[in-house]
Amino acid sequence: KQEVTQIPAALSVPEGENLVLNCSFTDSAIYNLQWFRQDPGKGLTSLLLIQSSQREQTSGRLNASLDKSSGRSTLYIAASQPGDSATYLCAGDSGNTPLVFGKGTRLSVIA
Amino acid sequence: NAGVTQTPKFQVLKTGQSMTLQCAQDMNHNSMYWYRQDPGMGLRLIYYSASEGTTDKGEVPNGYNVSRLNKREFSLRLESAAPSQTSVYFCASRAGQAGYEQYFGPGTRLTVT
Repeated sequence: KQEVTQIPAALSVPEGENLVLNCSFTDSAIYNLQWFRQDPGKGLTSLLLIQSSQREQTSGRLNASLDKSSGRSTLYIAASQPGDSATYLCAGDSGNTPLVFGKGTRLSVIA
Repeated sequence: NAGVTQTPKFQVLKTGQSMTLQCAQDMNHNSMYWYRQDPGMGLRLIYYSASEGTTDKGEVPNGYNVSRLNKREFSLRLESAAPSQTSVYFCASRAGQAGYEQYFGPGTRLTVT
């Protein structure tokens, strides 16, 4: 059974810092990986999708990469802002299967 | 373009009551999903429909039933609610099972007393 671990579970940083969130899968056969953001009391918002033929994706200050040999992904956030405070979740699938989610990293960016 | 919509937003049930959570998407997606989210447990898949006309069990299907009414709509039914089903329920959809971006609804907060 695929399991997803996200480290750290919580993180607090001062505004302006660059930071890295980590995600790892017990089964490294990940085809597609997606990072989401969840604000308190809200649904999940898609941030980045890395498809099977890709190794990384970038959107603004966010960069996500996937190392398929190890089953690990990182989400890099540059120049963090208080508005980045949220829970970040990663999820992956093994091709024609539903996404399996990690429990998330709760990020606080302090002004 | 509303994306994924869910009704109701909040619901309180007594133990043993039944209810149906509604989900609809307007993106012409083939695949739809129901999750529950509980503190410390993360998001867990209840049921999914890879395409219209098919449904499959996820990780925690006991106590639930689903109906893929048409391509747009996917409902989740609790036949006899239990306190253990107190949770936030999310519906999601994507164009297909492989390699497509997944979109979520705003959630239904259900309390069973």
